[in-house]
Amino acid sequence: DGGITQSPKYLFRKEGQNVTLSCEQNLNHDAMYWYRQDPGQGLRLIYYSQIVNDFQKGDIAEGYSVSREKKESFPLTVTSAQKNPTAFYLCASSSTPGLLNLNEQFFGPGTRLTVL
Amino acid sequence: GNSVTQMEGPVTLSEEAFLTINCTYTATGYPSLFWYVQYPGEGLQLLLKATKADDKGSNKGFEATYRKETTSFHLEKGSVQVSDSAVYFCALRAFDQTGANNLFFGTGTRLTVIP
Repeated sequence: DGGITQSPKYLFRKEGQNVTLSCEQNLNHDAMYWYRQDPGQGLRLIYYSQIVNDFQKGDIAEGYSVSREKKESFPLTVTSAQKNPTAFYLCASSSTPGLLNLNEQFFGPGTRLTVL
Repeated sequence: GNSVTQMEGPVTLSEEAFLTINCTYTATGYPSLFWYVQYPGEGLQLLLKATKADDKGSNKGFEATYRKETTSFHLEKGSVQVSDSAVYFCALRAFDQTGANNLFFGTGTRLTVIP
């Protein structure tokens, strides 16, 4: 079955540690995205990548880093520089849009990160 | 710029009641519009979409019509069920001045349906 997987579902981290969240898709999508969701709030874009070996900062990139070495994978590292990392992290992917073909993004099940 | 304004919740309805969740948008160019649903502890699922003016998206009894004249995409359902309890997000996707085509989300509306 095609889809997006994120692991782990729950992640605990001590203050000062870096942690990497996994996101894999087998939908053959070119574009991938990372969002952060805080309780009672909408989604905020952290980073996105429209093609392999290229990525762009979103609205709240500080304290995060990404890589896009393979089309299928877009891991997110939450560094110790992120002041308030406890949140629900969602990965998404989409096919390359045409000018009149802005299709939906498909979302993974999310990773809940808690900093102890 | 691109933005979405969504009706604030929470919304609590009795089973079989009529649902409306308002959504208005500001966009450059010709956006596509979406409603996503998030069940507790899960990611977002696409509920319905519309890609041009006057299109009506529909799924699982939910409907929304892309109204360019009022820049709106209100979500409606004639008779809600307990299983519809979730958070609903309105979103648009459009090209911005850099050529990116990201999704812009509303803040979400939590719906609780009571038996």
